[in-house]
Amino acid sequence: KNQVEQSPQSLIILEGKNCTLQCNYTVSPFSNLRWYKQDTGRGPVSLTIMTFSENTKSNGRYTATLDADTKQSSLHITASQLSDSASYICVVKGGATNKLIFGTGTLLAVQP
Amino acid sequence: DGGITQSPKYLFRKEGQNVTLGCEQNLNHDAMYWYRQDPGQGLRLIYYSQIVNDFQKGDIAEGYSVSREKKESFPLTVTSAQKNPTAFYLCASSKGQTSTNEKLFFGSGTQLSVL
Repeated sequence: KNQVEQSPQSLIILEGKNCTLQCNYTVSPFSNLRWYKQDTGRGPVSLTIMTFSENTKSNGRYTATLDADTKQSSLHITASQLSDSASYICVVKGGATNKLIFGTGTLLAVQP
Repeated sequence: DGGITQSPKYLFRKEGQNVTLGCEQNLNHDAMYWYRQDPGQGLRLIYYSQIVNDFQKGDIAEGYSVSREKKESFPLTVTSAQKNPTAFYLCASSKGQTSTNEKLFFGSGTQLSVL
């Protein structure tokens, strides 16, 4: 079954600290993997899109990694800010119908 | 200001009532989508449209209907047949479905609740 699992479910960190969010998937065949940031009560905003051949992709303080062999991805946030408080959603495009399969998200709270 | 506008932000539905959620985009995108978001679950696709006057059912289309009479607009009707409509509804668009790396742009969502 094509699934996307994220961990942890929720995370609290202090402002200025780094953190890493995990995403494991079982989607096959694989087209690409996306990370989105969703503020409470808002729509998701794209952070990165990574294809099979890309190991690392950065967007400011956000760095995503992809290991297509182990079907794992991570999103690293450097020097966190209060505005980083949001839900981070991992999405994999693939499967027999090449559709988007969404994870349930990691809820990050950055405290002062 | 380019983007996707969803209306209204909050909507309440009485039992047996049909309600329509609006979605307008000025990005000149061909493809538009409706997703449903429930707490603790990933987004689920309700309907999508790749071109004007054409749309396809997603994974959870029962109890919903859509129309695509104009490129910019893709309204979603939640019918009385949808027995559990309380959720956060997200409209999205992309240039098209031909590119596998097509970026998806989302609106700000509509929270639908049942009275």
